[in-house]
This record gives sequence, C-alpha cells and structure tokens, in this order.
Amino acid sequence: DVKVTQSSRYLVKRTGEKVFLECVQDMDHENMFWYRQDPGLGLRLIYFSYDVKMKEKGDIPEGYSVSREKKERFSLILESASTNQTSMYLCASSGAGTSILSGANVLTFGAGSRLTVL
Amino acid sequence: AQKITQTQPGMFVQEKEAVTLDCTYDTSDPSYGLFWYKQPSSGEMIFLIYQGSYDQQNATEGRYSLNFQKARKSANLVISASQLGDSAMYFCAMGQIQGAQKLVFGQGTRLTINP
Repeated sequence: DVKVTQSSRYLVKRTGEKVFLECVQDMDHENMFWYRQDPGLGLRLIYFSYDVKMKEKGDIPEGYSVSREKKERFSLILESASTNQTSMYLCASSGAGTSILSGANVLTFGAGSRLTVL
Repeated sequence: AQKITQTQPGMFVQEKEAVTLDCTYDTSDPSYGLFWYKQPSSGEMIFLIYQGSYDQQNATEGRYSLNFQKARKSANLVISASQLGDSAMYFCAMGQIQGAQKLVFGQGTRLTINP
C-alpha cells in the first residue's frame, strides 16, 4: 500500500559530497514537492514540480537542485553538501485539476529521509 | 505571502480529555484552504482534516474538528477524547488556490497524551 517512497531513510555524508535523494510515487500524480523539516521551523518548501521536466523554486532553494525526468520520480540534489543541510527531507505528491477548495488534492507524503552531513 | 503560526511548541494532556491545538494564519488571498497533518514518531505525515475558506460550517472528521474563525484568522484543531496514539507532532498548513497547490506549514506542536 506504499504510495510515496523515499529511497533512503537515513544517510550520512561528508561535507562537499554530492547527494541524491530519490522519491517515487505510484499514484500518477502531476505535482511533486520537496520539503525540509527542522525543529522549531516546521516544513519549508525547497522545490516543486507540476509536470515532467518542469520545476519551480520554493522558499529555500539555495544549495539544492531537482530533476523530474519521469512523472513518477522527483529527485533532490545537493551539489556540494554542507553541515547546515543536515535535516529531515520530506517528499510529497498531489494530483492536479481539482481546486484546492474541494480538499481533494491533499498532499501525500513519503516517510522522510534524515540526512546528516559531517 | 502566506504565513502560519503555531504558538504551542508542546502540550501535555491526560488521556480521554479534549485538546485544542492553536493555529493562526495570515494571507491576502480571498480563497484558501487550511489543513492539519499529524506526524507520529515514524516520521510520515498523515492528513487529518481540511477547511476551505468559503466553507460555512466547521469541518469534522471523526474525533477531529477544525474550529475555523475567519475574522480572527484562526483554524484550531480540536481532538475529542484523546488517546495514547494521538501523541505526535501536529502541523497546521495553508494552501493557495493558484499554482500547484503547494502548502505553507506552521512550526508544529508536539502533543503528548499521558495515561
């Protein structure tokens, strides 16, 4: 019954390494999102995508990039990891074409990827 | 810009009591949606309840209800008859009508239910 899968639950990387966080959804959703969760700050949007090969910056895109080559897969890339990118990363998806007023397009989240950069 | 504020970092409640988690929001959009999510220790975010800005009645889902006061810009979550399994982080979120329905989240409230 898994709907949004994040490939790694826990990762430990070194400063300067390139890091890939993968997210796959099996609900044929158009929209996909990457959030970062930090204590006391809640969830903050890094990037989102509303279609294959389309991407838009969220509130904190600096130091990150994304890739969406296929509808079901949305990857978050840290080109050169830094210690201040140690965090929990949450991927989510939602369908399109229905007004948010109906509440039909709630976000479905993955279990999260906890990244530690040493 | 939209903003969500949750002023209670942590709450402790006795089992079977009702609990209210506070959420205030700020937006200039006339149309918006308000959401509550639960995050257990497992980490996965679970959708609980939704309220549209034009909804006349407060939303309810089982033991969850959303106390929506538009003039005060508040959207408090009420959990009736709390259970030990309700212990978790709770996030209030808001979405705009335009765009890809991205959500803005509050800081979260950690709820602990004591037996």
